[in-house]
Amino acid sequence: GQNIDQPTEMTATEGAIVQINCTYQTSGFNGLFWYQQHAGEAPTFLSYNVLDGLEEKGRFSSFLSRSKGYSYLLLKELQMKDSASYLCAVRSTRSNDYKLSFGAGTTVTVRA
Amino acid sequence: GAGVSQSPSNKVTEKGKDVELRCDPISGHTALYWYRQRLGQGLEFLIYFQGNSAPDKSGLPSDRFSAERTGESVSTLTIQRTQQEDSAVYLCASSPGGNTIYFGEGSWLTVV
Repeated sequence: GQNIDQPTEMTATEGAIVQINCTYQTSGFNGLFWYQQHAGEAPTFLSYNVLDGLEEKGRFSSFLSRSKGYSYLLLKELQMKDSASYLCAVRSTRSNDYKLSFGAGTTVTVRA
Repeated sequence: GAGVSQSPSNKVTEKGKDVELRCDPISGHTALYWYRQRLGQGLEFLIYFQGNSAPDKSGLPSDRFSAERTGESVSTLTIQRTQQEDSAVYLCASSPGGNTIYFGEGSWLTVV
């Protein structure tokens, strides 16, 4: 199976930058995903990395290093609506069923 | 519909009763997943369907849990003789294959 670790909580100020780290161990790697989940709502897709490097999408960027088993999600120009849980998920090549294994999530609180 | 639909959205049941949770995936999506999320925790994989068959049932926590899918569409997750530790939100997701999985809003189950 996979071990996926990410911090439990982070707090940042509106307008600032926050970086959420995720480390993983997997028997075969076939992609890393970040999802955002607001309290009481379904997770929504943010980003996907399968090759090393940085993927940028507006205020959100995601980075992957496969050799280090490491990813981060960078949130810039934080807004109050960014307060949510951010889930790191890994897909393994052990099966071809596109199953995602999730970390426990990082709760980000944005303060005014 | 436009998204993944789950019912009921909320269910309170007495310990020992059976419950059925329903998922209507996005039309045409061949892959369907069930995840469980306990309060404050990450997503726990339960079962995956490709079409009507379930190649991966590895996450079902006990023989009280079962799931089926018919017509390559609707899926039902059944929990028999519910226990208090079954209290969680049960999330269904569907995918056309590839890199995106779309989640429903979840069914919130409380066992009293």
